[in-house]
Amino acid sequence: DQQVKQNSPSLSVQEGRISILNCDYTNSMFDYFLWYKKYPAEGPTFLISISSIKDKNEDGRFTVFLNKSAKHLSLHIVPSQPGDSAVYFCAASAQRSSNTGKLIFGQGTTLQVKP
Amino acid sequence: DTGVSQDPRHKITKRGQNVTFRCDPISEHNRLYWYRQTLGQGPEFLTYFQNEAQLEKSRLLSDRFSAERPKGSFSTLEIQRTEQGDSAMYLCASSERSYEQYFGPGTRLTVT
Repeated sequence: DQQVKQNSPSLSVQEGRISILNCDYTNSMFDYFLWYKKYPAEGPTFLISISSIKDKNEDGRFTVFLNKSAKHLSLHIVPSQPGDSAVYFCAASAQRSSNTGKLIFGQGTTLQVKP
Repeated sequence: DTGVSQDPRHKITKRGQNVTFRCDPISEHNRLYWYRQTLGQGPEFLTYFQNEAQLEKSRLLSDRFSAERPKGSFSTLEIQRTEQGDSAMYLCASSERSYEQYFGPGTRLTVT
């Protein structure tokens, strides 16, 4: 049972353009969402997060949008840079109903930004 | 702050052998997590410690797996009688509160 899904295994964009990575979830108990970036042979690096009480959070070039009714979130990267090329993971947790804060991850989307 | 560290970074072992991995979390973080990642998948939760107490274990953590966090500092993950299906990246993460988790570089296990 895949509770967090990233249906696009890969995405290729031109440098300077917008990258949009998508994520869907099924568990309505999820109330906190995070995006991580992962380079080969390294652990995931935290990028940005959003609580379910918000619908948008912005940090520099990164913006996360949350649509609770659709159980969908997206990560926008503007402008995209070649250094953004990596695997991006969406993750969710149920903070109110769980004391552990464990994260449930999607399968990841490989982003390639072409110069 | 040196971040989360894990040792070793790579481990190759023969089927049936025991292996032990170590994780040193960020010093002020009282929460520690272990995850496992296989090729083409996202990390999957294995177990969670708050200080020295192991508060949750995933069903993925069979009885061949054991984790400890003595004194609430570093943690170890041991796999007994390794199987080829145990080959994966084992990731450790820590957090100060149950929100953002910070990951180490992982230990890549190959069981031959």
